[in-house]
Amino acid sequence: NAGVTQTPKFRVLKTGQSMTLLCAQDMNHEYMYWYRQDPGMGLRLIHYSVGEGTTAKGEVPDGYNVSRLKKQNFLLGLESAAPSQTSVYFCASSRTDQNSPLHFGNGTRLTVT
Amino acid sequence: AQRVTQPEKLLSVFKGAPVELKCNYSYSGSPELFWYVQYSRQRLQLLLRHISRESIKGFTADLNKGETSFHLKKPFAQEEDSAMYYCALRFYGGSQGNLIFGKGTKLSVKP
Repeated sequence: NAGVTQTPKFRVLKTGQSMTLLCAQDMNHEYMYWYRQDPGMGLRLIHYSVGEGTTAKGEVPDGYNVSRLKKQNFLLGLESAAPSQTSVYFCASSRTDQNSPLHFGNGTRLTVT
Repeated sequence: AQRVTQPEKLLSVFKGAPVELKCNYSYSGSPELFWYVQYSRQRLQLLLRHISRESIKGFTADLNKGETSFHLKKPFAQEEDSAMYYCALRFYGGSQGNLIFGKGTKLSVKP
């Protein structure tokens, strides 16, 4: 039982390049989330999904797209990376019942130059 | 709008001293509140949730609906408690998704 796995762990991009961050969970969770963590800003929700085939915008969705084609996977895409997207990205998942906690991945450290 | 406020960015205490990390929330419905901890360069982990009313690693947190607070407390801090602590609020509906975090408090426990 690996929990929540994120790939890659580190990445350096040049402005304008694209990439996809992969999140996989093996806990059969319905809900999945993408957050970014920046110093002094805490965690901010980018996009989330309440089930396979569904996605919704969070607090800071601009510049990102997501897809949830399979229940266990939640992909975060950057079509044209910008230096402002330099951050640590965390994926999380949870059950649907009340008071279910989030289970986090180890994070992806992305630098855009 | 829903909001979680952690007023202290940094809290520094000596080993053995009591510690209280403050969290206030704004939500008109029935809140679900959590404390998460992140040790240096590790993933966030659940520390406490208000529904459980449990003590984890000596930490407790009580939901005060009158003061809309969910402060995290420990009577005697240990060096291994040094970490980032995030308070989180789960709510249902709205455009912000269903779990938001405060900006975090960095706890530093000095020997």
